[in-house]
Amino acid sequence: EVQLVESGGGLVQPGRSLKLSCAASGFTFSNYYMAWVRQAPKKGLEWVATISTSGSRTYYPDSVKGRFTISRDNAKSSLYLQMNSLKSEDTATYYCARHVNYGSPWYYFDYWGQGVMVTVSS
Amino acid sequence: DIQMTQSPASLSASLEEIVTITCQASQDIGNWLAWYQQKPGKSPQLLIYGATSLADGVPSRFSGSRSGTQYSLKISRLQVEDIGIYYCQQASSAPLTFGSGTKLEIK
Repeated sequence: EVQLVESGGGLVQPGRSLKLSCAASGFTFSNYYMAWVRQAPKKGLEWVATISTSGSRTYYPDSVKGRFTISRDNAKSSLYLQMNSLKSEDTATYYCARHVNYGSPWYYFDYWGQGVMVTVSS
Repeated sequence: DIQMTQSPASLSASLEEIVTITCQASQDIGNWLAWYQQKPGKSPQLLIYGATSLADGVPSRFSGSRSGTQYSLKISRLQVEDIGIYYCQQASSAPLTFGSGTKLEIK
């Protein structure tokens, strides 16, 4: 059974940093692109970051580029999101998600974690 | 960036009714569209990919279709367990973008 379990969320002041982790199990982690997707309270879904199987390629939307860094440790089947210079608009539930391709130019998300809440407030 | 305009924002329907949700892409994305269901308090779940292909374990009452840059999700006979918020997502190019969601309730 595929499982993705996030951790590391919490309350953080604006301008500070936070690192999220995602522990994966039930599949060969190193074979899949992985991603983070967030959802602000009562709002929709927003893609945050994607990382290739080896970790050599990373992708971000403009909203977090230069502030967030996605990384992975295939030996530990773990995914990370380093968030720096946090803003109030980064307040959201952050989901770890597995990417799947199905022949598309880019990726869908076929498994999601339960999410971890990040609140940016003074 | 590709904008995904989803409608309606909310929908109330009776059990066994046919429900249709639509998503309009701001440019050609081919068949590279997915639909997700997010039940209350839960994570999103993949329903449809490639505009028309059913994901594993998804009931056959769900189906997807495409007409040009307009995509539709149809639930053929609405069940209680179908309540939640539905999102479309394009997988044609980065940044990956989602529709704003359709909240589905039982009348």
